[in-house]
Amino acid sequence: EDQVTQSPEALRLQEGESSSLNCSYTVSGLRGLFWYRQDPGKGPEFLFTLYSAGEEKEKERLKATLTKKESFLHITAPKPEDSATYLCAVPQFLSGNTPLVFGKGTRLSVIA
Amino acid sequence: EPEVTQTPSHQVTQMGQEVILRCVPISNHLYFYWYRQILGQKVEFLVSFYNNEISEKSEIFDDQFSVERPDGSNFTLKIRSTKLEDSAMYFCASDWQGEADTQYFGPGTRLTVL
Repeated sequence: EDQVTQSPEALRLQEGESSSLNCSYTVSGLRGLFWYRQDPGKGPEFLFTLYSAGEEKEKERLKATLTKKESFLHITAPKPEDSATYLCAVPQFLSGNTPLVFGKGTRLSVIA
Repeated sequence: EPEVTQTPSHQVTQMGQEVILRCVPISNHLYFYWYRQILGQKVEFLVSFYNNEISEKSEIFDDQFSVERPDGSNFTLKIRSTKLEDSAMYFCASDWQGEADTQYFGPGTRLTVL
């Protein structure tokens, strides 16, 4: 069973059309949830870390929120340059140094 | 802004050959990781490294793989005898204090095994 599930797999928006991406996770004792942006052929670029339910973080047109079972990445009035794959990840272990477990990502296309 | 760098950006090799992928983590970071991403698939963990030894490795990281920190700045991933299925993007990442700290990723090396 996947620990991190992202939906939708792909999303096509018109420029200016706001929407949300979802990341649900099954790990218990969440130590943090990470959002990354990945452009084709590039490495994941860090966006946000959320540590506790109710926490919100914003960066330009993006806002990430966290509940006990899922996180949302809200994109407000997107532009074509926001087109990318957005990845969600959680720590694999409950303590100590830990690798990240990634979801499959949501591929966002913003059309002018 | 400090960043993780990786070389080469693209490596083409013949099946059975050895390859070494290189990474320079962010300078004050102490924890280092290798991940890979097969085209169209998830980013997958390979190995983590701290204090000059492997701290964790996945099932993918078999005897064909090894990691090393040959000096104070470089971190390398060696694949001894490449297979077709090793073709993927390989990403190095680092963080400062482990403990679910934010990991920063390099731009990746695209490995193509022919």
